[in-house]
Amino acid sequence: NAGVTQTPKFQVLKTGQSMTLQCAQDMNHEYMSWYRQDPGMGLRLIHYSVGAGITDQGEVPNGYNVSRSTTEDFPLRLLSAAPSQTSVYFCASSSRGGIGAEAFFGQGTRLTVV
Amino acid sequence: EDQVTQSPEALRLQEGESSSLNCSYTVSGLRGLFWYRQDPGKGPEFLFTLYSAGEEKEKERLKATLTKKESFLHITAPKPEDSATYLCAVQALTGANSKLTFGKGITLSVRP
Repeated sequence: NAGVTQTPKFQVLKTGQSMTLQCAQDMNHEYMSWYRQDPGMGLRLIHYSVGAGITDQGEVPNGYNVSRSTTEDFPLRLLSAAPSQTSVYFCASSSRGGIGAEAFFGQGTRLTVV
Repeated sequence: EDQVTQSPEALRLQEGESSSLNCSYTVSGLRGLFWYRQDPGKGPEFLFTLYSAGEEKEKERLKATLTKKESFLHITAPKPEDSATYLCAVQALTGANSKLTFGKGITLSVRP
């Protein structure tokens, strides 16, 4: 089992560019979520999904969009990158207890916006 | 607002020197408290879930305990491979889709 796979692992963007961070899981989990991790801030929830076709905002959703057309995939779109979006992004999935509970995390995408 | 405070921020231990990591929390009804381990450059890895005060969970050299206000992660006779950042998170009783609130983490270094 691959678990949760994120691509790319590293990315550099120019201010104003857009891109999509990919996340795929092969565990048939209902719940998926995106977090960003910044030094001294802890993990913060960006968006989450409780199943295909259902998404909702987390703590820091501005500047990001998500969609969930399949159980397996949950891409995160940066609409117009800003330096404040420089961070490490983690995708997670879980099967019970709601989002985050006993979650499996991907390896992360380190994004730098210049 | 749910809050999680972890202390100390960093801890350096000698191999074999037991210690405890603290997680204090404020939540409007606790659904669960979670401990994760994170190695540099990796995603968090799930360790334990605790649901009610008095509950304890063990895994190898780690034991997690829970009271109504805090959780401790006890590390007995640590080894260098236990070096990592340990994250604590809480999930509130606000519905089936309630979200996790994370602390900032405790960076543990174990010297041989």
